[in-house]
Amino acid sequence: AQTVTQSQPEMSVQEAETVTLSCTYDTSESNYYLFWYKQPPSRQMILVIRQEAYKQQNATENRFSVNFQKAAKSFSLKISDSQLGDTAMYFCASMNNAGNMLTFGGGTRLMVKP
Amino acid sequence: DSGVTQTPKHLITATGQRVTLRCSPRSGDLSVYWYQQSLDQGLQFLIQYYNGEERAKGNILERFSAQQFPDLHSELNLSSLELGDSALYFCASSVAPGLRNEQFFGPGTRLTVL
Repeated sequence: AQTVTQSQPEMSVQEAETVTLSCTYDTSESNYYLFWYKQPPSRQMILVIRQEAYKQQNATENRFSVNFQKAAKSFSLKISDSQLGDTAMYFCASMNNAGNMLTFGGGTRLMVKP
Repeated sequence: DSGVTQTPKHLITATGQRVTLRCSPRSGDLSVYWYQQSLDQGLQFLIQYYNGEERAKGNILERFSAQQFPDLHSELNLSSLELGDSALYFCASSVAPGLRNEQFFGPGTRLTVL
């Protein structure tokens, strides 16, 4: 079984600044993927970034990057140069080895302030 | 637009009733996943189908059932509805199950049980 925990229910950041969202997970899988999803007010689930557990290099997608600490089972998301459009719920998730089930954390509501 | 379509967008019904939610996957995707997002339970995986066959089950109640048809669209049937079934139901699709295959989410169906 997999569990994902997001300990920050809400966060805020000033426009153009950097913010880091925390996530810890637990899994018994030998290989797995970790994800960050964004859910804006429209409720659409949008994939932000993903990381394969076997890859030591941290994933980066434009202004979004992760800090993957496998031993600590930590997977944080860093958003640089925050924009108003980044205001959303952010969900950390893990996928099991069979690749058929996403397990989500409780989410962090991020508010970007002008 | 992810390419995954869900109908209806909104559904309001009464306790004890039965409803059917429909999902059409992206063109070429053979695997369909259903997720429930509620205030109490957060985002949780319900069930997965691949090419018409059930592949994985999550926290799906016995009152709920699903199927995937030969044209690959899927339906989620919810019966004997209770107030606690009010939630946003997402369908997602991928080419196939597997860690490397991204799940693309539809816009969701908002179910309200009165």
